[in-house]
Amino acid sequence: SQQGEEDPQALSIQEGENATMNCSYKTSINNLQWYRQNSGRGLVHLILIRSNEREKHSGRLRVTLDTSKKSSSLLITASRAADTASYFCATWRQAGTALIFGKGTTLSVSS
Amino acid sequence: GAGVSQSPSNKVTEKGKDVELRCDPISGHTALYWYRQSLGQGLEFLIYFQGNSAPDKSGLPSDRFSAERTGGSVSTLTIQRTQQEDSAVYLCASSLKREGEQFFGPGTRLTVL
Repeated sequence: SQQGEEDPQALSIQEGENATMNCSYKTSINNLQWYRQNSGRGLVHLILIRSNEREKHSGRLRVTLDTSKKSSSLLITASRAADTASYFCATWRQAGTALIFGKGTTLSVSS
Repeated sequence: GAGVSQSPSNKVTEKGKDVELRCDPISGHTALYWYRQSLGQGLEFLIYFQGNSAPDKSGLPSDRFSAERTGGSVSTLTIQRTQQEDSAVYLCASSLKREGEQFFGPGTRLTVL
């Protein structure tokens, strides 16, 4: 069963605008990760936020985590055409043996 | 190598044939994962290897699927008697430690005609 669910499913913005994607999950977590996927192939790890952290930054990325609401958000500031991709949140299965991914948010940034 | 590699990058096969997909993880990574991604979907866990421990096979969808990891490094995912619903991108990932960042290979796109 899926642990993370991203919202919205698709997002279209103009270059320079900010993009916000949300993720909800079901069970308690040790950490939550965000990944990016270009053209339906390999995923690239973007950022990991631990359960005792509320906010984390990496370049133009800002991730928040609210464990009471079991939700996380990914903000991409000053978006670029190259940010066009699918973005997935992922949490660990309770056995801790693999990540559970949502269906992702498809971001399209037009110039 | 510098990253996780997978081969072949694309595989087209006929229904009923067997296929083997290969994954070379990052050197030194003890954890190796196989996932499957159908068109427009998220990733579905298949199997997990950690060092010399027994693998977690709980994600394998049927007994037609099997995987092995030789010498704690290279892994092979085998699908026997392929079906059209097996068509997907098969992704391999490795990590240095459990519950850490996963590094993904480029995937193998399998098409079963």
